[in-house]
Amino acid sequence: DGGITQSPKYLFRKEGQNVTLSCEQNLNHDAMYWYRQDPGQGLRLIYYSQIVNDFQKGDIAEGYSVSREKKESFPLTVTSAQKNPTAFYLCATASRPSTDTQYFGPGTRLTVL
Amino acid sequence: AQTVTQSQPEMSVQEAETVTLSCTYDTSESNYYLFWYKQPPSRQMILVIRQEAYKQQNATENRFSVNFQKAAKSFSLKISDSQLGDTAMYFCAFRIGGRGSTLGRLYFGRGTQLTVWP
Repeated sequence: DGGITQSPKYLFRKEGQNVTLSCEQNLNHDAMYWYRQDPGQGLRLIYYSQIVNDFQKGDIAEGYSVSREKKESFPLTVTSAQKNPTAFYLCATASRPSTDTQYFGPGTRLTVL
Repeated sequence: AQTVTQSQPEMSVQEAETVTLSCTYDTSESNYYLFWYKQPPSRQMILVIRQEAYKQQNATENRFSVNFQKAAKSFSLKISDSQLGDTAMYFCAFRIGGRGSTLGRLYFGRGTQLTVWP
C-alpha cells in the first residue's frame, strides 16, 4: 500500500515531555515537509527537507527539531521548549520541490495535558 | 513576502448549485504555482486543482474550475453541481517555482469552510 503514513493518529503529552511524531513515505519523493494547523488558521511551515541529511527551518521552527537520516522518514520532535504544542500536525511530500505538487499524510493530533 | 488571503471564512450552497470561493495573493515573483486543497472532516488534505502561473488557460478538474486573473492576483475556485461530499474546509495555497531557497514551500490562506446542504 503506497503513500504517506503518520503515526500516531492521536498523541497526548504531559507538559515538560518531548514527543516524536512519525512521518514515513514509500513514494520515493525527495522533499518532505512538516506543517502545523491551528483552528482558524491556515497551515504554517515548521521544517522542510529536500534531500537526506539536510533540512531547513520554516516559519515556526522554535521548540521543534527534525532529522532526515533516510529518504523515507522525516520524524518531528516536539520539545518541552515549544510553549503551545497542542495542534494538528501534517506531513507532506513532493517528488521535486521546485515543480511538483505536495501530497499530505493523514495527520497527527497532539494534545498537551 | 508572500501572502495568501481568503476573505470568506464560511460559505454555504444548496446541493446541485454552483459556488465560488475567493482567493487573492501577493507576490513579486513571476514563476509560481497556485493550488486549492480541501480538508473534509477526516482532516485529510486533498488536492483539488493546480494552476501554473505561466499558463493563461484556467485549470479544470471535472466539476472544479478556477478563474485565474494574474494581473489582479486573484485565484477563485468554482464548484459546479455541488454535492454533499464537497462539504469541507478549502485552502488556497501558493508556491514559488524554479530553483532557490524556498525549496517548494507552500503558503496557505486561512481557509473557507464550505457547507453543502440538501
